[in-house]
Amino acid sequence: KQEVTQIPAALSVPEGENLVLNCSFTDSAIYNLQWFRQDPGKGLTSLLLIQSSQREQTSGRLNASLDKSSGRSTLYIAASQPGDSATYLCAVHQGDSSYKLIFGSGTRLLVRP
Amino acid sequence: EAQVTQNPRYLITVTGKKLTVTCSQNMNHEYMSWYRQDPGLGLRQIYYSMNVEVTDKGDVPEGYKVSRKEKRNFPLILESPSPNQTSLYFCASSLKPPGPGPRVETQYFGPGTRLLVL
Repeated sequence: KQEVTQIPAALSVPEGENLVLNCSFTDSAIYNLQWFRQDPGKGLTSLLLIQSSQREQTSGRLNASLDKSSGRSTLYIAASQPGDSATYLCAVHQGDSSYKLIFGSGTRLLVRP
Repeated sequence: EAQVTQNPRYLITVTGKKLTVTCSQNMNHEYMSWYRQDPGLGLRQIYYSMNVEVTDKGDVPEGYKVSRKEKRNFPLILESPSPNQTSLYFCASSLKPPGPGPRVETQYFGPGTRLLVL
């Protein structure tokens, strides 16, 4: 059974730092991996999606990498800002007939001014 | 504006009192799903629907029902709520279901419904 783990559970950094969030999964047979952002009182917003055949995706200050063979993904945030404070979730789409995403429990990020 | 809406946003109820959480999307999406989010457990899928009149169980369907009579609506029904169903619930939709192939559909999430069952 696929398990998705995110470390650390919480992270506090000063504004301007570059930071890395980690996501690991136990079954490498995935179709894709997505990173979401969750703000309090709001739903999830999709940030980046990496297909299983890809190694990385970039959007602005965000860069997500995928190493399927080792079951790992990282989300790199450059020059962090207070507005980046949120919970970041990764989710994998399992490579079988199931039509669902399997989520990690998230990393709660606080960027201090 | 393209969006997924949920109602109510907050609900406090008592054990055994039937309730319905509504979900509606205005994007003509075929795929809709319900998740619950609990501390330390991430989001877990409750039910999903591939299209009108087509629904199936997710990972944690016990104690829940759904229906999909119209494409835009996907209500979540708790016939006899219990305290262990206290949670944050999210509805999501996408044009097509998550799946393989070159085209991957973005999942749009509603704002969430926070439910407390006493």
